[in-house]
Amino acid sequence: AQKVTQAQTEISVVEKEDVTLDCVYETRDTTYYLFWYKQPPSGELVFLIRRNSFDEQNEISGRYSWNFQKSTSSFNFTITASQVVDSAVYFCALHLTSGTYKYIFGTGTRLKVLA
Amino acid sequence: DTGVSQNPRHKITKRGQNVTFRCDPISEHNRLYWYRQTLGQGPEFLTYFQNEAQLEKSRLLSDRFSAERPKGSFSTLEIQRTEQGDSAMYLCASRPDRSYVSDTEAFFGQGTRLTVV
Repeated sequence: AQKVTQAQTEISVVEKEDVTLDCVYETRDTTYYLFWYKQPPSGELVFLIRRNSFDEQNEISGRYSWNFQKSTSSFNFTITASQVVDSAVYFCALHLTSGTYKYIFGTGTRLKVLA
Repeated sequence: DTGVSQNPRHKITKRGQNVTFRCDPISEHNRLYWYRQTLGQGPEFLTYFQNEAQLEKSRLLSDRFSAERPKGSFSTLEIQRTEQGDSAMYLCASRPDRSYVSDTEAFFGQGTRLTVV
């Protein structure tokens, strides 16, 4: 079975703090993709980052960075120097390359950045 | 290109009525998805189209739900005999039909919020 777990329901930080959002996934497939999406109050899911299962290199893109570890099936996402505009619900998602076309989402983590 | 467009943005209907939502994907995006999202939950997959062919349906898609994508362009999602449990945000997403790693993400619309009273 495929599953995505985001254990953190809600996180509150003060502006300029760094924050890490956790994501643990389950799949028996060897080829898959992982994503992070942001959902602001407007409701639209905004794509942030992707990673494929063959590339465990961690990267930094602006204030965003991610830590992908296949050994622990984790795909954590970090926002550096958080800003109030980062306040939103963040979803981790899993996409397989065979057997199903769907994206499997976690339950989301609500991030509140306080001024 | 204005992204994925969904209409209406909000719909309030009485229980038992039929409703239809429309999704216009990003042009030239062959793949189209419908998802449902209830309060405090992540999006749940409903159905998937590749061009006009409906290739995958979730068990969540009961007999009261039907989706179409005539000519492989826009898509409609109809709910017949609505129930209060159908109240949710209905999201549409699209992506191009290419296998490049850089094109694997789906782009979502702003959703249609359905309230059944």
